[in-house]
Amino acid sequence: GQNIDQPTEMTATEGAIVQINCTYQTSGFNGLFWYQQHAGEAPTFLSYNVLDGLEEKGRFSSFLSRSKGYSYLLLKELQMKDSASYLCAAMDSNYQLIWGAGTKLIIKP
Amino acid sequence: ETGVTQTPRHLVMGMTNKKSLKCEQHLGHNAMYWYKQSAKKPLELMFVYNFKEQTENNSVPSRFSPECPNSSHLFLHLHTLQPEDSALYLCASSRGDREYSGNTIYFGEGSWLTVV
Repeated sequence: GQNIDQPTEMTATEGAIVQINCTYQTSGFNGLFWYQQHAGEAPTFLSYNVLDGLEEKGRFSSFLSRSKGYSYLLLKELQMKDSASYLCAAMDSNYQLIWGAGTKLIIKP
Repeated sequence: ETGVTQTPRHLVMGMTNKKSLKCEQHLGHNAMYWYKQSAKKPLELMFVYNFKEQTENNSVPSRFSPECPNSSHLFLHLHTLQPEDSALYLCASSRGDREYSGNTIYFGEGSWLTVV
């Protein structure tokens, strides 16, 4: 079957760096998405990776290894507003999104 | 503001009530989706519409009835729901449905549904 695994919850300190991991098993692969969802708000698109390597967007970076079925989202210089859930989703061969349950990130001062 | 607007934001209904959720997208997209989000569970895809035609019904109980009058509007009609249907219902849109990789989905803020 198809499956996405990501940690349920992580805690980090303001100003620090945190890495949120995601492993996936899908029938075929057409890329991996990361979304951010603040409590009570819409999930918003953060990044899309389809090739191996690191994509950087300001304080956020996303990495993909297709051979390992692995991705991570790296958040630098953490701010209190980064407290949110981070959703990982892989796109299978039918271009259907397979979602993880999300990682709740708690930032402490 | 994501370009996808959902109303109402909160809804409490009895198990014998009939209510509807509404979604409107202002992004010029052709595909629209209903997702169910429950605590600590992955997003569950319920329905997909592409150019107003339903392209996916993910084994959703008939007490949920979608309607897509045009590419910009999507409804979810609710009747005789169960308490376990209480969840956040997210509407989303994208340029197309499963047409290409990198097809980014844009979500509305959701409608919190409580069935009592």
